Amino acid sequence: EVQLVQSGGGLVQPGGSLRLSCEASGFSFSSYWFHWVRQVPGQGLVWVSRIDNYGSTTNYADSVEGRFTISRDNARNTLYLQMNNLRAEDSAVYYCGRDLAGVGSYWGPGTLVTVSS
Amino acid sequence: DIVMTQSPLSLPVTPGEPASISCRSSQSLLHRNGNVFFDWYLQRPGQSPQLLIYWGSNRAPGVPDRFSGSESGTEFTLKISRVEAEDVGVYYCMQGLQTPYTFGQGTKLEI
Repeated sequence: EVQLVQSGGGLVQPGGSLRLSCEASGFSFSSYWFHWVRQVPGQGLVWVSRIDNYGSTTNYADSVEGRFTISRDNARNTLYLQMNNLRAEDSAVYYCGRDLAGVGSYWGPGTLVTVSS
Repeated sequence: DIVMTQSPLSLPVTPGEPASISCRSSQSLLHRNGNVFFDWYLQRPGQSPQLLIYWGSNRAPGVPDRFSGSESGTEFTLKISRVEAEDVGVYYCMQGLQTPYTFGQGTKLEI
């Protein structure tokens, strides 16, 4: 059974850092590209970042470029999002997603990040 | 960035009746490999999005055949032949041709 288990969300002060994790099971993790997508509760979906299956190619939304870093550990079947210099507008539910824009698309349950003093 | 424009934003429906949602992309989503990088997702209340249709018109595994997708150029349509109670939620279109991937505003289907 395909599973994505997310962790790492929580409350952090503006300017602080947080690392999100997404642990995969039930499929060949290293075969897929992965994404992070965020959603302010009650609002729409916003793409954040993407990483290829080797971890060598990454892309970011302009709003997080230079502050967020996507990475993966294929030996641990885990995707990460390191978020630095967090702002109030980064507050959202963050979803990890497998292979968006294709038949393999699958999303994690989401983890809530709240940036507030 | 590619802009995705959905309509309507709210869709009240009656069980057993058909429903249709439209999405327009600001440019072609045709990849050089011949696939159209366009998906439809359903986000049920309190859940993460789930794939309904990929590459414009292909139903995802396990999705009921009352859901269908079609495309004509930059216009995309999701049709539900007979709405059921479990279809309630917000429907999103998404382009995955180029980063940043972009989503439509969402269509809230209510019974």
